[in-house]
Amino acid sequence: GESVGLHLPTLSVQEGDNSIINCAYSNSASDYFIWYKQESGKGPQFIIDIRSNMDKRQGQRVTVLLNKTVKHLSLQIAATQPGDSAVYFCAEKGSNYQLIWGAGTKLIIKP
Amino acid sequence: GAGVSQSPSNKVTEKGKDVELRCDPISGHTALYWYRQSLGQGLEFLIYFQGNSAPDKSGLPSDRFSAERTGGSVSTLTIQRTQQEDSAVYLCASSPTLGRDTEAFFGQGTRLTVV
Repeated sequence: GESVGLHLPTLSVQEGDNSIINCAYSNSASDYFIWYKQESGKGPQFIIDIRSNMDKRQGQRVTVLLNKTVKHLSLQIAATQPGDSAVYFCAEKGSNYQLIWGAGTKLIIKP
Repeated sequence: GAGVSQSPSNKVTEKGKDVELRCDPISGHTALYWYRQSLGQGLEFLIYFQGNSAPDKSGLPSDRFSAERTGGSVSTLTIQRTQQEDSAVYLCASSPTLGRDTEAFFGQGTRLTVV
C-alpha cells in the first residue's frame, strides 16, 4: 500500500545551524511530494513541493531533495531561526488525489 | 475570503450528539478536502470534493460521518451520534483544481472534543 514515514519524531537544532528533516515513502510510482509546516494550533502551511522528474528544488532558505532510488525525501532548512519551530510533515499525492501524510517531525530550535 | 475558513474553531459536545463542521474554501477553488488529525499524529484523509461531487467516500471512518458541498463552495462535515474516538482536529483544505500536482491550502481546523 501507499505510506509515507518519517525517520525521527523530534529534531533539536542550534539556532543558526542548518536543519535536515528526512522522510521515506513506499510507493515507487509516487510522482508528487510536498513538505508542510504546522505550528501549534494552526493548519498545515505549504513550504515546498517537488515532482518526481526532479532531484532537487530550492526555495527561500529551504531545499528539498528527492532520491527515487531509495525512495527518500529530505527537507533542508538553512540558518534555522526560532520561527522555524514547528512540526514538519512530508506528504505524497495519492492515487485518489488525497495527501498521504507521515507522522511528522517536531523541530526544536535551541537558542 | 483570503484563505480557507473553518467554523467553529472549537467544539465540545456530549457523546451521542450530532455535530456539524463548516468549511469555506478559497473563492474559485473547485477541489475541497477534509482531513482528521489526532493529537501528535499526521493527517488522515476523509473525503474530497470536485465541485459538489464526492466520487469516493471510502475514507470516511464510519457511516456516522457524512459530508456535502453545495454551490461548489461551502462544505459541511456532519458526525452523527458522536463517540469519544471522534475527538480530533478536523482540517479542511482547498485547491484550484483536483490535479495530482496541485498544492492544497489548509484552514486552521476545528478542534472537536467529545465528552
